[in-house]
Amino acid sequence: QKEVEQNSGPLSVPEGAIASLNCTYSDRGSQSFFWYRQYSGKSPELIMSIYSNGDKEDGRFTAQLNKASQYVSLLIRDSQPSDSATYLCAVNIRDYKLSFGAGTTVTVRA
Amino acid sequence: DAGITQSPRYKITETGRQVTLMCHQTWSHSYMFWYRQDLGHGLRLIYYSAAADITDKGEVPDGYVVSRSKTENFPLTLESATRSQTSVYFCASRQGFYNSPLHFGNGTRLTVT
Repeated sequence: QKEVEQNSGPLSVPEGAIASLNCTYSDRGSQSFFWYRQYSGKSPELIMSIYSNGDKEDGRFTAQLNKASQYVSLLIRDSQPSDSATYLCAVNIRDYKLSFGAGTTVTVRA
Repeated sequence: DAGITQSPRYKITETGRQVTLMCHQTWSHSYMFWYRQDLGHGLRLIYYSAAADITDKGEVPDGYVVSRSKTENFPLTLESATRSQTSVYFCASRQGFYNSPLHFGNGTRLTVT
């Protein structure tokens, strides 16, 4: 079983719609979770972090965490063409190492 | 400028040659990491370091060597490059607590011919 799994995509959404990205993890002891955005040819950049069960909102982004289900998600509201990128879920597994999912590529159609 | 820098940005080398990828951070972060990114595999951890002179293997360490004599530098050496090591390499750093995010360098695109 992979440590972090994401819905594989690609995900295509119309401009203005909600993009929903999902991630599951295997280590029940994981305590911190991150979403990174990566544009083609660029390095990953942090967009959200979440540590407690529930929702965390930052602008058009909402991260949701459910530790009992070992599930973390990212919602992008009012999707814009500039949101077209690959989104990486990262989980702090142990010893301060982050394990990454394979990523979900999102395309926002104008 | 503060941050994490990698060099070179692009490198082409031949099979069997030794090549070193450099990484330098100015934040004094305790932890530093090397990842490689390949299509279909995502980001995979090669090596990491908790402090100067402390390093440990990640999930794909074979064929790589690291050192960390100073907190700010974490070079990655491919002792005898193979075509399977053609990849994009990212160096990253973070502070030493569980909810600190990882900060990435701009990456090095390595091609082994």
